[in-house]
Amino acid sequence: DADVTQTPRNRITKTGKRIMLECSQTKGHDRMYWYRQDPGLGLQLIYYSFDVKDINKGEISDGYSVSRQAQAKFSLSLESAIPNQTALYFCATSDGRPNQPQHFGDGTRLSIL
Amino acid sequence: AQSVTQLGSHVSVSEGALVLLRCNYSSSVPPYLFWYVQYPNQGLQLLLKYTSAATLVKGINDFEAEFKKSETSFHLTKPSAHMSDAAEYFCAVSAAGGGSNYKLTFGKGTLLTVNP
Repeated sequence: DADVTQTPRNRITKTGKRIMLECSQTKGHDRMYWYRQDPGLGLQLIYYSFDVKDINKGEISDGYSVSRQAQAKFSLSLESAIPNQTALYFCATSDGRPNQPQHFGDGTRLSIL
Repeated sequence: AQSVTQLGSHVSVSEGALVLLRCNYSSSVPPYLFWYVQYPNQGLQLLLKYTSAATLVKGINDFEAEFKKSETSFHLTKPSAHMSDAAEYFCAVSAAGGGSNYKLTFGKGTLLTVNP
């Protein structure tokens, strides 16, 4: 089983709908992250969480919200989806040390019509 | 503040040729540097990392990278490209120096195409 699991893998929805993307991990890491990937732009940080009670905005948090339900679970919500939120979304985890890599899920491809 | 610049959004090589993907970084403190690879429909996988132990770092699948402080570079190389190396490659920098708010900053990525 994958260490970082994202659901769903693909989602097509309409403008104005509420969407939740889910992430769960079995690595036992305290830190979890949500990124957005757009072609030619690399990865942009949306939100990150150092533990269940510590959630922080990233570079592009407008239009998004998150919930850290447990150490192992971190979900991303789009309250009212808009077409320019069409992108590939990644969840990642880390153990908090800057010399250690982040570990990524396989991503959710989200299309908003 | 820290930043990463990957020179060349798209690199094309022939099978068996040298692969060279360029990464330059900017950091106000000694950096930790990473190369990740993304295959189609997959997440990012770690290729290798520099954490100050050695300037020449070897990773998986015969990739290696050399940290050059004077040039603020961390270029990725592989002596002989395989078709299976076709993917997008990301360079990333993490600021060292303590504290809990370190950030991993990614470059915009380089798409590697390998021609038969």
